[in-house]
Amino acid sequence: SQQGEEDPQALSIQEGENATMNCSYKTSINNLQWYRQNSGRGLVHLILIRSNEREKHSGRLRVTLDTSKKSSSLLITASRAADTASYFCATDDTGGFKTIFGAGTRLFVKA
Amino acid sequence: SQTIHQWPATLVQPVGSPLSLECTVEGTSNPNLYWYRQAAGRGLQLLFYSVGIGQISSEVPQNLSASRPQDRQFILSSKKLLLSDSGFYLCAWSGIAGGHEQFFGPGTRLTVL
Repeated sequence: SQQGEEDPQALSIQEGENATMNCSYKTSINNLQWYRQNSGRGLVHLILIRSNEREKHSGRLRVTLDTSKKSSSLLITASRAADTASYFCATDDTGGFKTIFGAGTRLFVKA
Repeated sequence: SQTIHQWPATLVQPVGSPLSLECTVEGTSNPNLYWYRQAAGRGLQLLFYSVGIGQISSEVPQNLSASRPQDRQFILSSKKLLLSDSGFYLCAWSGIAGGHEQFFGPGTRLTVL
């Protein structure tokens, strides 16, 4: 079964606004990752947060992790039209060999 | 630096025809390799992963197969394509198995008619 599920499925905002995407998962994890995918391209790793971390920043990205609620959020501040893409959360499986991806949030930033 | 290549970029094949998609990685040794399929507007479905030459783990029953003839080469094959095999196929590698950063290739768009 799918480990990570993103919410919302799609998000449309104006340039300059903040975008928040959420991810929920079902089982215990060692870490959680966020990836970005431009249309028709491969995925690009954005950030990894470990299970013992609660918040992590990278440039305009802020990721939080709440292991008690089995959820994570990705905040993109001061969005730009170039941020238009799909964003996926991914978690490790209990066996340790795989990364399980959610269905993604499609973000559209209007210029 | 490490790079990952996939080809072809796009492919249109008739039902029942064979398939061979190739993925190669440069600049690293003994990578963990993955094949994913992505349906339009959906997430990634893990098809196969490999932790070493000749070692293939299959995630879903299907008419696809994978092989790893060399350390940095991963091949996805089918003897007879089905309509349901259409999709976007992505190859990825990681330095550590499971739950660590993966590096993706550009993908192959496969359309089965």
